[in-house]
Amino acid sequence: ILNVEQSPQSLHVQEGDSTNFTCSFPSSNFYALHWYRWETAKSPEALFVMTLNGDEKKKGRISATLNTKEGYSYLYIKGSQPEDSATYLCAPSNTDKLIFGTGTRLQVFP
Amino acid sequence: KAGVTQTPRYLIKTRGQQVTLSCSPISGHRSVSWYQQTPGQGLQFLFEYFSETQRNKGNFPGRFSGRQFSNSRSEMNVSTLELGDSALYLCASSSHLVGGGNTEAFFGQGTRLTVV
Repeated sequence: ILNVEQSPQSLHVQEGDSTNFTCSFPSSNFYALHWYRWETAKSPEALFVMTLNGDEKKKGRISATLNTKEGYSYLYIKGSQPEDSATYLCAPSNTDKLIFGTGTRLQVFP
Repeated sequence: KAGVTQTPRYLIKTRGQQVTLSCSPISGHRSVSWYQQTPGQGLQFLFEYFSETQRNKGNFPGRFSGRQFSNSRSEMNVSTLELGDSALYLCASSSHLVGGGNTEAFFGQGTRLTVV
């Protein structure tokens, strides 16, 4: 069983601020790390899927890094915008399933 | 390309009843996974089906079951409903197995089940 911890639980920032979240997971039996963005009243949407230690991925103002040896991933948002307000979920997978963290809820104020 | 469709969107049932939820995946996707979300909990994995076979199962009682049809559509059934089964149930489809793979999952909007 994987224990996935995400921090902080919630975050309030001003428009234009940069922010980052952490996802911690046991490094044993690791296969891949998924990040999803879940906006209110919508479906979770995949941001990144990473597998290799040292992976870095970027999509617009959002980027993520992965350290499989120590069991953590960081998600960065540069210049936050109100439309970035959502819950960000990480989900490491072992060989047979995704295990979701409880998420970081981000609110960006104009 | 149509997304993942879940029906119904909302459902109210009485304790002891059973319920069936439906999930139509993205065309061409062969994997369907089911998740439960209750307040304060992350998405809890229920099961994953691939090509009509249950590949993996989470830690849920036998009252929770599912199946997948030849067109990849999936149904989830919960029998003898309990108050604690009230939750948002999400399904996700993928072109390959999500567990043990590196393929992203595409989620539906979920079915909100309330047990009274």
